[in-house]
Amino acid sequence: KQEVTQIPAALSVPEGENLVLNCSFTDSAIYNLQWFRQDPGKGLTSLLLIQSSQREQTSGRLNASLDKSSGRSTLYIAASQPGDSATYLCAVKGGNTPLVFGKGTRLSVIA
Amino acid sequence: EAGVAQSPRYKIIEKRQSVAFWCNPISGHATLYWYQQILGQGPKLLIQFQNNGVVDDSQLPKDRFSAERLKGVDSTLKIQPAKLEDSAVYLCASSLTPGSDNSPLHFGNGTRLTVT
Repeated sequence: KQEVTQIPAALSVPEGENLVLNCSFTDSAIYNLQWFRQDPGKGLTSLLLIQSSQREQTSGRLNASLDKSSGRSTLYIAASQPGDSATYLCAVKGGNTPLVFGKGTRLSVIA
Repeated sequence: EAGVAQSPRYKIIEKRQSVAFWCNPISGHATLYWYQQILGQGPKLLIQFQNNGVVDDSQLPKDRFSAERLKGVDSTLKIQPAKLEDSAVYLCASSLTPGSDNSPLHFGNGTRLTVT
């Protein structure tokens, strides 16, 4: 059974810092890994999707990497801004299994 | 493009009552999902539809939860009777390409259910 763990559970950084969020998963037989952002009281917004054959994806100040063999992914946020404050969720898609989510990392960027 | 629409936004009911949630996916999206998100947890899949057929309902508590997607577009999720532990946010999501595992999911804003 796939399990997804996100560390840390919460993170507070000053504006302008670069930061890394971590995600680990137990079953390396995945089709893709997705990073989502969730603002309070809102649904999830897809940030990046990395297919199993890819090593990384970039969108603006965000870069996500995938190491299937070690069961790990990282989300790198460059030059953080207060508007980046949200909960970031990692989710993995297996073969015949549904998308499995971690519990998320709650990020606060302090101006 | 209009996003995934859900209603109501909030619902408060007493235990043993029934409740229904509605979802309208993005136009043209064949796959529709209902997720349950308990406070402090990641979303958990309840049911997945492809067009109007059920693909996965293995985590749906079928003694009290039911869902349908008539005509392969809108969907409703019902709970009857509700329990205290059903208090959660119910999220609907849709994705474009049937049979593809690499379509990103688009989520609605969810319905926050409180059972007292």
